[in-house]
Amino acid sequence: EAQVTQNPRYLITVTGKKLTVTCSQNMNHEYMSWYRQDPGLGLRQIYYSMNVEVTDKGDVPEGYKVSRKEKRNFPLILESPSPNQTSLYFCASRGLGQGANIQYFGAGTRLSVL
Amino acid sequence: QQQVKQSPQSLIVQKGGISIINCAYENTAFDYFPWYQQFPGKGPALLIAIRPDVSEKKEGRFTISFNKSAKQFSLHIMDSQPGDSATYFCAASWGRYQKVTFGTGTKLQVIP
Repeated sequence: EAQVTQNPRYLITVTGKKLTVTCSQNMNHEYMSWYRQDPGLGLRQIYYSMNVEVTDKGDVPEGYKVSRKEKRNFPLILESPSPNQTSLYFCASRGLGQGANIQYFGAGTRLSVL
Repeated sequence: QQQVKQSPQSLIVQKGGISIINCAYENTAFDYFPWYQQFPGKGPALLIAIRPDVSEKKEGRFTISFNKSAKQFSLHIMDSQPGDSATYFCAASWGRYQKVTFGTGTKLQVIP
Protein backbone atom coordinates (compact mmCIF):
# COMPACT_ATOMS: atom_id res chain seq x y z
CA GLU A 1 0.00 0.00 0.00
CA ALA A 2 1.31 3.45 -0.98
CA GLN A 3 2.03 5.32 2.20
CA VAL A 4 3.60 8.38 3.70
CA THR A 5 4.26 7.71 7.37
CA GLN A 6 4.90 10.42 9.92
CA ASN A 7 5.90 10.01 13.53
CA PRO A 8 4.94 10.96 16.11
CA ARG A 9 1.29 11.86 15.49
CA TYR A 10 1.12 14.05 18.57
CA LEU A 11 3.90 15.85 20.35
CA ILE A 12 3.96 18.25 23.29
CA THR A 13 7.27 19.87 24.09
CA VAL A 14 8.75 22.93 25.77
CA THR A 15 10.44 25.94 24.28
CA GLY A 16 14.02 25.26 23.23
CA LYS A 17 13.99 21.46 23.41
CA LYS A 18 15.17 20.05 20.10
CA LEU A 19 12.83 17.67 18.35
CA THR A 20 12.62 15.66 15.14
CA VAL A 21 9.54 14.57 13.25
CA THR A 22 10.21 11.64 10.96
CA CYS A 23 8.71 11.05 7.53
CA SER A 24 9.04 8.00 5.34
CA GLN A 25 7.49 7.07 1.97
CA ASN A 26 7.37 3.72 0.20
CA MET A 27 6.61 4.92 -3.34
CA ASN A 28 10.20 5.65 -4.45
CA HIS A 29 9.21 9.29 -4.95
CA GLU A 30 11.92 11.83 -5.69
CA TYR A 31 10.07 14.86 -4.35
CA MET A 32 9.25 15.25 -0.66
CA SER A 33 8.10 18.28 1.28
CA TRP A 34 6.93 19.52 4.64
CA TYR A 35 3.91 21.74 5.20
CA ARG A 36 2.38 23.37 8.20
CA GLN A 37 -1.37 23.90 8.44
CA ASP A 38 -2.76 26.75 10.50
CA PRO A 39 -6.39 27.95 10.73
CA GLY A 40 -7.15 30.53 8.06
CA LEU A 41 -3.73 30.14 6.46
CA GLY A 42 -4.11 26.82 4.70
CA LEU A 43 -1.08 24.69 3.87
CA ARG A 44 2.24 26.48 3.71
CA GLN A 45 5.37 24.78 2.49
CA ILE A 46 8.32 24.75 4.89
CA TYR A 47 11.02 22.87 2.97
CA TYR A 48 11.16 20.55 0.01
CA SER A 49 13.60 18.09 -1.50
CA MET A 50 13.94 17.15 -5.14
CA ASN A 51 16.15 14.14 -4.41
CA VAL A 52 18.78 12.77 -2.04
CA GLU A 53 21.00 15.57 -0.70
CA VAL A 54 18.97 18.22 -2.60
CA THR A 55 16.81 20.43 -0.38
CA ASP A 56 15.48 23.96 -0.62
CA LYS A 57 13.42 26.44 1.35
CA GLY A 58 9.71 26.73 0.91
CA ASP A 59 7.58 29.68 1.95
CA VAL A 60 8.07 29.52 5.75
CA PRO A 61 11.48 27.90 6.49
CA GLU A 62 12.55 29.98 9.51
CA GLY A 63 13.19 27.85 12.59
CA TYR A 64 13.24 24.53 10.72
CA LYS A 65 15.87 22.23 9.27
CA VAL A 66 15.61 19.18 7.04
CA SER A 67 17.88 16.52 5.66
CA ARG A 68 17.55 13.97 2.84
CA LYS A 69 20.20 11.30 3.27
CA GLU A 70 18.00 8.52 1.89
CA LYS A 71 15.37 8.70 -0.80
CA ARG A 72 12.58 7.37 1.40
CA ASN A 73 13.18 9.55 4.50
CA PHE A 74 12.80 13.29 5.02
CA PRO A 75 12.93 14.29 8.70
CA LEU A 76 11.91 17.73 9.95
CA ILE A 77 14.09 19.15 12.71
CA LEU A 78 13.21 21.95 15.11
CA GLU A 79 16.46 22.80 16.86
CA SER A 80 14.97 25.31 19.30
CA PRO A 81 11.17 25.17 19.10
CA SER A 82 9.13 28.23 19.99
CA PRO A 83 5.39 28.59 20.73
CA ASN A 84 4.74 30.08 17.27
CA GLN A 85 5.71 26.70 15.81
CA THR A 86 2.67 25.11 17.46
CA SER A 87 0.87 23.77 14.42
CA LEU A 88 -0.27 20.75 12.43
CA TYR A 89 2.52 19.43 10.22
CA PHE A 90 2.24 17.31 7.09
CA CYS A 91 4.84 15.49 5.09
CA ALA A 92 4.08 14.84 1.43
CA SER A 93 5.71 13.07 -1.47
CA ARG A 94 5.29 12.78 -5.24
CA GLY A 95 7.16 11.66 -8.29
CA LEU A 96 8.83 13.98 -10.78
CA GLY A 97 7.80 12.26 -13.97
CA GLN A 98 4.31 11.26 -15.04
CA GLY A 99 1.98 11.66 -12.09
CA ALA A 100 4.12 14.43 -10.65
CA ASN A 101 1.03 16.45 -9.97
CA ILE A 102 -0.41 14.08 -7.38
CA GLN A 103 0.88 14.65 -3.87
CA TYR A 104 0.47 12.01 -1.20
CA PHE A 105 0.23 13.29 2.34
CA GLY A 106 0.97 11.70 5.67
CA ALA A 107 -1.64 11.70 8.44
CA GLY A 108 -0.10 14.70 10.17
CA THR A 109 1.79 15.55 13.37
CA ARG A 110 0.13 17.87 15.83
CA LEU A 111 2.82 19.78 17.69
CA SER A 112 2.33 21.93 20.77
CA VAL A 113 5.24 24.01 22.04
CA LEU A 114 4.71 25.30 25.57
CA GLN B 1 1.48 36.41 -7.78
CA GLN B 2 1.81 32.90 -6.35
CA GLN B 3 -1.33 33.09 -4.26
CA VAL B 4 -4.55 31.22 -4.71
CA LYS B 5 -7.47 32.93 -2.99
CA GLN B 6 -10.19 30.62 -1.74
CA SER B 7 -13.69 31.36 -0.47
CA PRO B 8 -15.72 30.88 1.61
CA GLN B 9 -13.74 29.93 4.69
CA SER B 10 -16.64 27.82 5.93
CA LEU B 11 -19.84 26.53 4.41
CA ILE B 12 -22.94 24.81 5.79
CA VAL B 13 -25.16 22.98 3.29
CA GLN B 14 -28.20 20.80 3.80
CA LYS B 15 -28.13 17.20 2.68
CA GLY B 16 -29.01 16.99 -1.00
CA GLY B 17 -27.96 20.57 -1.72
CA ILE B 18 -25.15 21.91 -3.88
CA SER B 19 -21.87 22.97 -2.27
CA ILE B 20 -19.82 25.54 -4.17
CA ILE B 21 -16.27 26.59 -3.32
CA ASN B 22 -14.47 29.23 -5.32
CA CYS B 23 -10.82 29.96 -6.02
CA ALA B 24 -9.04 32.72 -7.93
CA TYR B 25 -5.46 33.13 -9.05
CA GLU B 26 -3.20 35.68 -10.71
CA ASN B 27 -0.27 33.70 -12.05
CA THR B 28 -1.01 32.70 -15.66
CA ALA B 29 1.86 30.20 -15.54
CA PHE B 30 -0.24 27.84 -13.42
CA ASP B 31 -0.99 24.76 -15.51
CA TYR B 32 -2.63 22.31 -13.13
CA PHE B 33 -5.45 22.93 -10.66
CA PRO B 34 -6.18 20.16 -8.14
CA TRP B 35 -8.64 20.03 -5.30
CA TYR B 36 -7.75 18.19 -2.12
CA GLN B 37 -10.16 16.82 0.46
CA GLN B 38 -9.15 16.51 4.11
CA PHE B 39 -11.11 14.65 6.77
CA PRO B 40 -10.48 15.35 10.47
CA GLY B 41 -7.34 13.61 11.69
CA LYS B 42 -6.17 12.79 8.17
CA GLY B 43 -3.89 14.30 5.60
CA PRO B 44 -5.26 15.94 2.45
CA ALA B 45 -5.97 13.61 -0.46
CA LEU B 46 -6.40 14.45 -4.12
CA LEU B 47 -10.09 14.65 -5.02
CA ILE B 48 -10.24 15.95 -8.59
CA ALA B 49 -8.06 18.08 -10.84
CA ILE B 50 -8.24 20.04 -14.09
CA ARG B 51 -5.89 21.53 -16.65
CA PRO B 52 -6.59 25.01 -18.09
CA ASP B 53 -7.34 23.73 -21.59
CA VAL B 54 -10.77 22.43 -20.47
CA SER B 55 -13.65 24.34 -18.92
CA GLU B 56 -15.20 21.58 -16.87
CA LYS B 57 -14.36 18.21 -15.40
CA LYS B 58 -16.82 15.93 -13.70
CA GLU B 59 -16.20 12.90 -11.53
CA GLY B 60 -19.34 11.52 -9.95
CA ARG B 61 -20.93 14.23 -7.81
CA PHE B 62 -17.83 16.44 -7.99
CA THR B 63 -17.33 18.98 -10.78
CA ILE B 64 -14.62 21.54 -11.40
CA SER B 65 -15.62 24.57 -13.44
CA PHE B 66 -12.71 26.52 -14.89
CA ASN B 67 -12.81 30.05 -16.31
CA LYS B 68 -9.42 30.82 -17.82
CA SER B 69 -10.20 34.40 -18.82
CA ALA B 70 -11.43 35.29 -15.33
CA LYS B 71 -8.64 33.25 -13.69
CA GLN B 72 -11.15 31.51 -11.48
CA PHE B 73 -12.09 27.92 -10.80
CA SER B 74 -14.65 26.33 -8.55
CA LEU B 75 -15.63 23.01 -7.04
CA HIS B 76 -19.28 21.98 -7.13
CA ILE B 77 -20.52 19.10 -5.02
CA MET B 78 -23.91 17.96 -6.19
CA ASP B 79 -26.35 16.14 -3.89
CA SER B 80 -24.10 16.91 -0.92
CA GLN B 81 -23.97 14.20 1.75
CA PRO B 82 -22.95 14.27 5.42
CA GLY B 83 -19.97 12.12 4.43
CA ASP B 84 -18.72 15.02 2.31
CA SER B 85 -18.15 17.07 5.48
CA ALA B 86 -14.45 17.88 5.32
CA THR B 87 -12.01 20.67 4.60
CA TYR B 88 -11.41 21.34 0.91
CA PHE B 89 -8.28 22.96 -0.49
CA CYS B 90 -7.87 24.27 -3.98
CA ALA B 91 -4.34 24.41 -5.33
CA ALA B 92 -2.39 25.43 -8.41
CA SER B 93 0.93 24.24 -9.73
CA TRP B 94 3.35 25.29 -12.44
CA GLY B 95 6.72 24.73 -13.95
CA ARG B 96 8.86 21.76 -14.81
CA TYR B 97 8.85 20.50 -11.23
CA GLN B 98 5.20 21.43 -10.58
CA LYS B 99 5.69 23.70 -7.59
CA VAL B 100 2.30 23.93 -5.89
CA THR B 101 0.57 26.61 -3.86
CA PHE B 102 -2.59 25.98 -1.81
CA GLY B 103 -5.65 28.01 -1.03
CA THR B 104 -6.55 28.68 2.60
CA GLY B 105 -9.17 25.93 2.79
CA THR B 106 -12.96 25.70 3.15
CA LYS B 107 -14.54 23.77 5.98
CA LEU B 108 -17.72 22.17 4.63
CA GLN B 109 -20.42 20.86 6.91
CA VAL B 110 -23.34 18.98 5.39
CA ILE B 111 -26.25 18.75 7.80
CA PRO B 112 -28.95 16.05 7.58
